[in-house]
Amino acid sequence: NAGVTQTPKFQVLKTGQSMTLQCAQDMNHEYMSWYRQDPGMGLRLIHYSVGAGITDQGEVPNGYNVSRSTTEDFPLRLLSAAPSQTSVYFCASSYSTSRNTEAFFGQGTRLTVV
Amino acid sequence: GENVEQHPSTLSVQEGDSAVIKCTYSDSASNYFPWYKQELGKRPQLIIDIRSNVGEKKDQRIAVTLNKTAKHFSLHITETQPEDSAVYFCAAPPPRGDKLIFGTGTRLQVFP
Repeated sequence: NAGVTQTPKFQVLKTGQSMTLQCAQDMNHEYMSWYRQDPGMGLRLIHYSVGAGITDQGEVPNGYNVSRSTTEDFPLRLLSAAPSQTSVYFCASSYSTSRNTEAFFGQGTRLTVV
Repeated sequence: GENVEQHPSTLSVQEGDSAVIKCTYSDSASNYFPWYKQELGKRPQLIIDIRSNVGEKKDQRIAVTLNKTAKHFSLHITETQPEDSAVYFCAAPPPRGDKLIFGTGTRLQVFP
């Protein structure tokens, strides 16, 4: 199994550009989520999904959109990139919506907005 | 929503010493408490977890203790080794709702 796969690994954007970070899992997990990691701030939840067709906001959703059309994929869209969105982004998935199961993370995407 | 506080933010120990990291949570109904380890440049990975029906769980040199009355749980690493150097995160998923919120992390450095 590949687990959770994120693409790209690195990306540089200009202010105002848009892009989509891809996340796919092959473990048939219901729960998927996106985090950003900034120095000294830990992992902050951006958006999450408890199943196909269902998404909800996390702690820091502004400037990001998500959709969940299939169980496997959970892309994160930056609508108009800003320097404040420079960060490392992690996608994660877990088996059930009961939350009492291990979260598996992708390898991360390092995004720089100039 | 659930609030998770983690201390300390940094911790330096000599190889062979013990390290303790503590997290407090706000929702008394929370019942699952995982710990994740993130090595430099890598993704977070689960190292140990505990459920509310037990007070302590051990796995070789690591252990987690839970105090439900005080609403805190701790990660204990004994006989630390340089490869234990990493950032450690706790989490306390709320029993109502589905947000998996993490603590702010503890950077552990083990000096030889």
